[in-house]
Amino acid sequence: GENVEQHPSTLSVQEGDSAVIKCTYSDSASNYFPWYKQELGKRPQLIIDIRSNVGEKKDQRIAVTLNKTAKHFSLHITETQPEDSAVYFCAVSTTSGTYKYIFGTGTRLKVLA
Amino acid sequence: KAGVTQTPRYLIKTRGQQVTLSCSPISGHRSVSWYQQTPGQGLQFLFEYFSETQRNKGNFPGRFSGRQFSNSRSEMNVSTLELGDSALYLCASSITGGSPLHFGNGTRLTVT
Repeated sequence: GENVEQHPSTLSVQEGDSAVIKCTYSDSASNYFPWYKQELGKRPQLIIDIRSNVGEKKDQRIAVTLNKTAKHFSLHITETQPEDSAVYFCAVSTTSGTYKYIFGTGTRLKVLA
Repeated sequence: KAGVTQTPRYLIKTRGQQVTLSCSPISGHRSVSWYQQTPGQGLQFLFEYFSETQRNKGNFPGRFSGRQFSNSRSEMNVSTLELGDSALYLCASSITGGSPLHFGNGTRLTVT
């Protein structure tokens, strides 16, 4: 069945450094790849997403890259700040057919001041 | 625009009981999906509804069921509760399937 692997499970970086989280997926029909940030005790919130016809997307300090051939996509956070500390989830979905989201198991990011 | 509303926020139930959780989506959103979140397991997909029809179901036992009403509000029911059902249950709405999800604050269910 569909599977999404997310690495690393925990990540500690110094404030100002970059953080990279990677996800791999198995279903070649997947064409929508969002990233969600969940702060402690709060709901997951969409921070950036990418569709299969695009290889990279940036939004200020956050970027996502997609390699459809290798079936992996990555979240890049530059100039990390303490408020970036949270759990980040990747997900894969299709915009037709199953309408099912499969989430990665999450990465706990700690930004050390 | 009001966000996704889930009620109740907290529930404590005893093994063997049943529970119903409610979700009101963002106005205009017709797709509602449910997820179980437990430490170390991430978000596990339960089911997705669109226009009162269940379009997809995750790998959960038949004790987990749901429905969607004509106003897009959705309910999830868990019967014969087990200790392992203790989790945060998140509802998310989207305009259509495959479009960005907007999550509610969740219902934290504790089974004792």
